Amino acid sequence: GAGVSQSPSNKVTEKGKDVELRCDPISGHTALYWYRQSLGQGLEFLIYFQGNSAPDKSGLPSDRFSAERTGGSVSTLTIQRTQQEDSAVYLCASSLSSLRNEKLFFGSGTQLSVL
Amino acid sequence: GDSVTQMEGPVTLSEEAFLTINCTYTATGYPSLFWYVQYPGEGLQLLLKATKADDKGSNKGFEATYRKETTSFHLEKGSVQVSDSAVYFCALSEIGTYKYIFGTGTRLKVLA
Repeated sequence: GAGVSQSPSNKVTEKGKDVELRCDPISGHTALYWYRQSLGQGLEFLIYFQGNSAPDKSGLPSDRFSAERTGGSVSTLTIQRTQQEDSAVYLCASSLSSLRNEKLFFGSGTQLSVL
Repeated sequence: GDSVTQMEGPVTLSEEAFLTINCTYTATGYPSLFWYVQYPGEGLQLLLKATKADDKGSNKGFEATYRKETTSFHLEKGSVQVSDSAVYFCALSEIGTYKYIFGTGTRLKVLA
């Protein structure tokens, strides 16, 4: 596609439910990132993929969070048993490679609200 | 660890005013420095970047100079427009790593 696509754009869920957030990166981009943007906070790094591998999962806040990437393309971020503190905007970004200076292309994000 | 510190917002200016958004960084090596901008309802997009000391990045009338001696990368624009209203993020990326470190963002509001 023309840009990084994220879905859904908005998700409202009840505490304790599981949610899946999807990211469709730009075709040919091997590197994919997930960030979380909370109100008044910067971008919090969650996880990085190079191809289908995730060499760095250190940013995932808890074992309720997991992510996968298939076919070197689409990625899904899953949050199990959601909590109110999970409410945030989840941003996905991709780049041609993971070399320094590579421009990150961001999606518009998924606004997650946990009631 | 590496970090980026930005001035807190919001910054409110009148159209045609001069803009400065301060950014300082801490890094162990030689990072590349970036400014990203997020317009309302959109994803972040790269505004400008600089890869080594004394480099000046520029785009759309915005400029920032990589100052190694003061570990700073302040964003400036001589005359802001209402359309510049957005959130601006300073970021760094160290050589040999994939990781980008972002600041907390500074919201700019420009009034007509």
